[in-house]
Amino acid sequence: DTGVSQDPRHKITKRGQNVTFRCDPISEHNRLYWYRQTLGQGPEFLTYFQNEAQLEKSRLLSDRFSAERPKGSFSTLEIQRTEQGDSAMYLCASSVQEYGYTFGSGTRLTVV
Amino acid sequence: AQSVTQLDSQVPVFEEAPVELRCNYSSSVSVYLFWYVQYPNQGLQLLLKYLSGSTLVKGINGFEAEFNKSQTSFHLRKPSVHISDTAEYFCAVSETRGYSTLTFGKGTMLLVSP
Repeated sequence: DTGVSQDPRHKITKRGQNVTFRCDPISEHNRLYWYRQTLGQGPEFLTYFQNEAQLEKSRLLSDRFSAERPKGSFSTLEIQRTEQGDSAMYLCASSVQEYGYTFGSGTRLTVV
Repeated sequence: AQSVTQLDSQVPVFEEAPVELRCNYSSSVSVYLFWYVQYPNQGLQLLLKYLSGSTLVKGINGFEAEFNKSQTSFHLRKPSVHISDTAEYFCAVSETRGYSTLTFGKGTMLLVSP
């Protein structure tokens, strides 16, 4: 058990480009969450998977955002046509119960 | 819907002094309560959680928190802080239903100086 792994740790992209982040949860965890954290704020919920099913999406998840979890294992979060306002830390977490998340170290996105 | 208010954005304290980080929450249903710590450029680490039972919860690194239902508070305390406790601390709440996402406060930066 190596914890929740996120890749890349840092991503700098030009406005308008597409980016994709990957999250590998703890292997026995069937629940996976994506959160976004902007500077000076607490994390905000983006989306939730139970196994491969995406069960909830936040209003924050605009049409430019899409997340997948094929086969209920790793997950990807894609942002299309990035904007400067997308600059943030993107955090992935996993759990087996409705509490006690384990968070990854996050992917810091900078849109220039 | 729930909300969390962390009353202090920064708390400066000297090493070996006691500290309390304040957290109030709002919810129309029963909740679980959590404190997380975040070191620079890292993810969040769970310090402690309240699910049910004793209102005094002990966590890692010598931290403890007390759930007060009447005051809807869940303040975090440590009797003697170390330089290494310098970090951002987040209070969070989730509903006690089948699954529920976490709602976080804006965080409190604990600054420990020698």
